[in-house]
Amino acid sequence: QKEVEQDPGPLSVPEGAIVSLNCTYSNSAFQYFMWYRQYSRKGPELLMYTYSSGNKEDGRFTAQVDKSSKYISLFIRDSQPSDSATYLCAMKGGSSASKIIFGSGTRLSIRP
Amino acid sequence: DTGVSQNPRHKITKRGQNVTFRCDPISEHNRLYWYRQTLGQGPEFLTYFQNEAQLEKSRLLSDRFSAERPKGSFSTLEIQRTEQGDSAMYLCASSLGSGATDTQYFGPGTRLTVL
Repeated sequence: QKEVEQDPGPLSVPEGAIVSLNCTYSNSAFQYFMWYRQYSRKGPELLMYTYSSGNKEDGRFTAQVDKSSKYISLFIRDSQPSDSATYLCAMKGGSSASKIIFGSGTRLSIRP
Repeated sequence: DTGVSQNPRHKITKRGQNVTFRCDPISEHNRLYWYRQTLGQGPEFLTYFQNEAQLEKSRLLSDRFSAERPKGSFSTLEIQRTEQGDSAMYLCASSLGSGATDTQYFGPGTRLTVL
C-alpha cells in the first residue's frame, strides 16, 4: 500500500464549477501538507502549504487537513480553463522531515 | 530568471550509455533535492544535499546512480549503464533549508528516454 493515495482522475468539470480534490495517507507522522500544480511537461509548482489540521485559504483555493481521518482536500472555486493541470498532494514529516512524499496526481480539465 | 534551472531539458540515449544531468538551484538555497517522476505518477525522492553534504539517499538510488554537489552550488546526477527502466523525468528542487517548514521549488526537469 502506498503511503499517499490519490485518485488519478481524469476529472472534467465546466468552467465556474467548484472542484474538490482529495488524498488519503497512512503515515500518522506526517505534519506538513502541500498541494502542487503541474502543467504538462513542467515542474511542480507549490499552491498551498499547511501545517497540522485545519483550513487555509488563498484566493480561489482552500486546503483542508483532517489528521484524525488522515485525509486532505483542495477546493478550487470559480474554476477557470487555466486551472487545467495535474494536482499533486504531498506531505512530509516524521523520521525524514526533508523529503516530500507525493500522491500520484489528479488530472483536472476545466471545460470552457 | 532566478528559478531552478536544469540542463539538458531532454536527453535521448541508448541502453548502456552514461548520462549526466545538471541542476542550478535558486541562489542562496542551501538544500538541493533530486526526484524522479514516471508517467502518471508523482515525483519520488532520490536524494538531497545540504550545502555539499549528501544527507539522504533513497533505496531507489541504485549504485548506477551518483549525485554530487561539489561546492554547495550546482549539482549533477549521473546514471551509468542506463536501462530502459531509467526513462523518466528527473526533477531538481531547492530550498532555504529553514527547518521542516521550508518550501521546495522545482525546476522544469530533464526528460530522459533510454532506447
